[in-house]
Amino acid sequence: AQSVSQHNHHVILSEAASLELGCNYSYGGTVNLFWYVQYPGQHLQLLLKYFSGDPLVKGIKGFEAEFIKSKFSFNLRKPSVQWSDTAEYFCAVNARSSNTGKLIFGQGTTLQVKP
Amino acid sequence: EPEVTQTPSHQVTQMGQEVILRCVPISNHLYFYWYRQILGQKVEFLVSFYNNEISEKSEIFDDQFSVERPDGSNFTLKIRSTKLEDSAMYFCASSELSNEQFFGPGTRLTVL
Repeated sequence: AQSVSQHNHHVILSEAASLELGCNYSYGGTVNLFWYVQYPGQHLQLLLKYFSGDPLVKGIKGFEAEFIKSKFSFNLRKPSVQWSDTAEYFCAVNARSSNTGKLIFGQGTTLQVKP
Repeated sequence: EPEVTQTPSHQVTQMGQEVILRCVPISNHLYFYWYRQILGQKVEFLVSFYNNEISEKSEIFDDQFSVERPDGSNFTLKIRSTKLEDSAMYFCASSELSNEQFFGPGTRLTVL
């Protein structure tokens, strides 16, 4: 069965610090990978996605993620966080062979950025 | 920018009552989904809907749950007889193809 694991449940950083949130998945086939963000009081928004091609993908707001197939990982990074990045971050996958697109989510990481 | 909308934002109901959660997906999207998130837990897939029928459902989606697209714009989730454990945030999502999904703001369901 597919599963997604996010290593950190709660991360606290100061502004300008670098961010890396870990995500590993378990699935025997080819996957599409996503990072979603949920700002306080708002809905889930797509930060970035990987379907194929260059394993380093860039998303909105200066975020990027790298797909490392051998490690089944898709870690999210940002060189310098801002207070406005305070949010909950979700890694998700779906099977490329799926004709339904069902997403499997990790448990989420709460990021708190101190001004 | 088009977005998925959901109503109500918060629903409080008594155990055993029926609830209907409503969603308006993005207009040209073909795939529709419901997910839920119990407080402090993962976002969980409930059901996907395509071409006017359920294409996949999870173990959670038992006979108490049903979905419907009653007209060209709405997509509803019905829980026939709510239980305390149904209390959660319910998210609707839609996608043009079965890949990138756009989520609504969620409906917080509280079962008393």
